[in-house]
Amino acid sequence: GAVVSQHPSRVICKSGTSVKIECRSLDFQATTMFWYRQFPKQSLMLMATSNEGSKATYEQGVEKDKFLINHASLTLSTLTVTSAHPEDSSFYICSARDLGRGNTEAFFGQGTRLTVV
Amino acid sequence: QQQVKQSPQSLIVQKGGISIINCAYENTAFDYFPWYQQFPGKGPALLIAIRPDVSEKKEGRFTISFNKSAKQFSLHIMDSQPGDSATYFCAARGSARQLTFGSGTQLTVLP
Repeated sequence: GAVVSQHPSRVICKSGTSVKIECRSLDFQATTMFWYRQFPKQSLMLMATSNEGSKATYEQGVEKDKFLINHASLTLSTLTVTSAHPEDSSFYICSARDLGRGNTEAFFGQGTRLTVV
Repeated sequence: QQQVKQSPQSLIVQKGGISIINCAYENTAFDYFPWYQQFPGKGPALLIAIRPDVSEKKEGRFTISFNKSAKQFSLHIMDSQPGDSATYFCAARGSARQLTFGSGTQLTVLP
């Protein structure tokens, strides 16, 4: 199957700092990538849809100035959590659709555990 | 508003038994229904998926049953193994190509 690599897998940062999470499709091109947030023992909540070369579309209630998304190429999307606070601590997961498979299947990265102290 | 309802929240099955997880949806525009398996600290992995024009799909020990009129679909895991212990999510894809996830089922298979 297609591979989506997410980096870092874990990060601890201080309150007020910014953290960047990378999502790469390693063996396929993805015009669309999705960013999710997952709290312990809960489901995945879609934060935003990232389209290559254009602005991301954010879900209702997600602060676009806090969660900056950049999708500069067909294989890379980044999520930057700005001015992080402890309540931003969560598991962040990206996913990408494979153009070569007709945009049917979505493949997920391994997730990033963010802890803000 | 939750568009995909998943049950049960947790499930305990003996090794060799059948695990059954159910999902129901509301939006008739959904056109693709995947199931994902997630281990702790990892991202979800696609397990099996079905389209609404098919009533059943089987891949190895995993089977999806789909009832379009009832707007329900289920995952059956035959001969469940301890290695199947994980959280399972059903999902549905809408017209915007986004996935809506169920609330998840924590499956524990006892040895």
